[in-house]
Amino acid sequence: AQSVTQPDIHITVSEGASLELRCNYSYGATPYLFWYVQSPGQGLQLLLKYFSGDTLVQGIKGFEAEFKRSQSSFNLRKPSVHWSDAAEYFCAVAPPLAGTALIFGKGTTLSVSS
Amino acid sequence: DTGVSQDPRHKITKRGQNVTFRCDPISEHNRLYWYRQTLGQGPEFLTYFQNEAQLEKSRLLSDRFSAERPKGSFSTLEIQRTEQGDSAMYLCASSLASGRTDTQYFGPGTRLTVL
Repeated sequence: AQSVTQPDIHITVSEGASLELRCNYSYGATPYLFWYVQSPGQGLQLLLKYFSGDTLVQGIKGFEAEFKRSQSSFNLRKPSVHWSDAAEYFCAVAPPLAGTALIFGKGTTLSVSS
Repeated sequence: DTGVSQDPRHKITKRGQNVTFRCDPISEHNRLYWYRQTLGQGPEFLTYFQNEAQLEKSRLLSDRFSAERPKGSFSTLEIQRTEQGDSAMYLCASSLASGRTDTQYFGPGTRLTVL
């Protein structure tokens, strides 16, 4: 069965420090990959996506993610975290087709300390 | 684009009552999705429309749940005889098909509390 694992439930990072959020997936073929961010009580905002091509993907708010086929991973990174980045981050996968449901991980909550 | 909108943002109801939520997708988006998110979990897929046709339903969508998209624009999700287990955030997303790719944009959600 298709699944997404985000191993870290909660991460705390100092403001200005670098960040890496992990995401591993289980899927027969290379899926489409997404990272979304959710602020408390809000919907999900798309940070970045990978469909094909360059395995290093740039997104909004200074985030990037790298697809590693050999590790079935799509980790999210940011070189310098800002206090406003505190939120919940979800990795999601979808079959490489249009019009299909996203499968989400359980999310990682990011706290930023000053 | 004005984004995906959902109404109401919050709904408190008593067990056994019926509730209906509305989702207005991004203009001209032909696909519309409903997800449910419970506390501490990622969103889970409920159902999906392409234009007015409901193409896929999850096993999570019990007989008490019904969704419509009558004119291929806005959609409604109705829950009949609500149960406390229905308490969750209900998220709507829309997308515009482009070849094989499909990027879903989410609304702010409707938080349902069943007492």
